[in-house]
Amino acid sequence: AQSVTQPDIHITVSEGASLELRCNYSYGATPYLFWYVQSPGQGLQLLLKYFSGDTLVQGIKGFEAEFKRSQSSFNLRKPSVHWSDAAEYFCAVATNTGNQFYFGTGTSLTVIP
Amino acid sequence: ETGVTQSPTHLIKTRGQQVTLRCSSQSGHNTVSWYQQALGQGPQFIFQYYREEENGRGNFPPRFSGLQFPNYSSELNVNALELDDSALYLCASSIPGLPTDTQYFGPGTRLTVL
Repeated sequence: AQSVTQPDIHITVSEGASLELRCNYSYGATPYLFWYVQSPGQGLQLLLKYFSGDTLVQGIKGFEAEFKRSQSSFNLRKPSVHWSDAAEYFCAVATNTGNQFYFGTGTSLTVIP
Repeated sequence: ETGVTQSPTHLIKTRGQQVTLRCSSQSGHNTVSWYQQALGQGPQFIFQYYREEENGRGNFPPRFSGLQFPNYSSELNVNALELDDSALYLCASSIPGLPTDTQYFGPGTRLTVL
């Protein structure tokens, strides 16, 4: 069965520090992978996605993610965090038929000055 | 700005009642997906509609049903409400083409079941 695991429920980083949010997936075929961000009271905004090709993908707001098939991982990174990055981050996997989506439980990011 | 709108913003119902939530897709999007997000959890996929037909379903009972209209707006109906149905309900629409193309989410409807 398909599933997504985000091992870190909550992460705190200092402004300007680097960030890595972990995501592991379980899916039998080539996955379609996504990272979304959700601010309080807001819907989900797509940060980046991976379908195929280059395993390092660039997204909006300076985020990037690397797909590692051997580790079934799709970790999100940012070299320097800004206070406005404080939010909830969700990793998701879609089936290759595109009609089933699975989200992780999310990682809450706090940024301290 | 996504262009996906949902109504109402908040809703309070009692156990056993029925509820209808509405979603207006972004212009030109022919695929809409519905999700349930319980407090502190990630969104759970309910179902997807593509050109007015159900195109995929998550692990939700039949009392969760949906419709998609010719203008691609959509409804989520939940019958016999239970306390555990209290959640944020999100809809997301997709641009034409591959179903796995970018999903644009609405702000959600907060449903409280008492």
